[in-house]
Amino acid sequence: GAGVSQSPSNKVTEKGKDVELRCDPISGHTALYWYRQSLGQGLEFLIYFQGNSAPDKSGLPSDRFSAERTGGSVSTLTIQRTQQEDSAVYLCASSLSGGRADTQYFGPGTRLTVL
Amino acid sequence: QKEVEQDPGPLSVPEGAIVSLNCTYSNSAFQYFMWYRQYSRKGPELLMYTYSSGNKEDGRFTAQVDKSSKYISLFIRDSQPSDSATYLCAIANQAGTALIFGKGTTLSVSS
Repeated sequence: GAGVSQSPSNKVTEKGKDVELRCDPISGHTALYWYRQSLGQGLEFLIYFQGNSAPDKSGLPSDRFSAERTGGSVSTLTIQRTQQEDSAVYLCASSLSGGRADTQYFGPGTRLTVL
Repeated sequence: QKEVEQDPGPLSVPEGAIVSLNCTYSNSAFQYFMWYRQYSRKGPELLMYTYSSGNKEDGRFTAQVDKSSKYISLFIRDSQPSDSATYLCAIANQAGTALIFGKGTTLSVSS
């Protein structure tokens, strides 16, 4: 079946602009996660959704970052007033129901470059 | 101290070698341990999953967890050029809402 898909695959923007990154999880997966992967920091958790709710937003680095999920499916990560340090690969993952034992399946990521 | 530490390498071995990849972690309450493999410009894919202590084997791959020393390992036997990738250890956080990743070890297997 179809895996997790993300769009766009690459995004180049200018400092100060807003960007939206999209994630389509595996059909039927109620849990959805956003991570960020940068050279210096590795892969870091941003936010976790269970259905349309986000019970864990502890990884969002600043209030410029927000995310939503609608219909228990598609999620959008928005970064406002982008900064050069936001340049990274943004990865989305989904899992069947959430929880420690649940396998997370990752999408290919969106590579964001802020000039 | 970071919750999960992993030597980033890079690690270069000849084809057929045995590879050992390792991570240490700080929280003794962690119970769910994973190894992900990530090819260049791709998302991570789950390779091995272990609950609590012990060994788990899958083909050429063996995952080992030693909770007494808070040490996790991945062994690759008879390594192949197709094993060339970045290997990430990951641990499920206590709330079950996120994975905590090591920084990844980049492995190159030459033919």
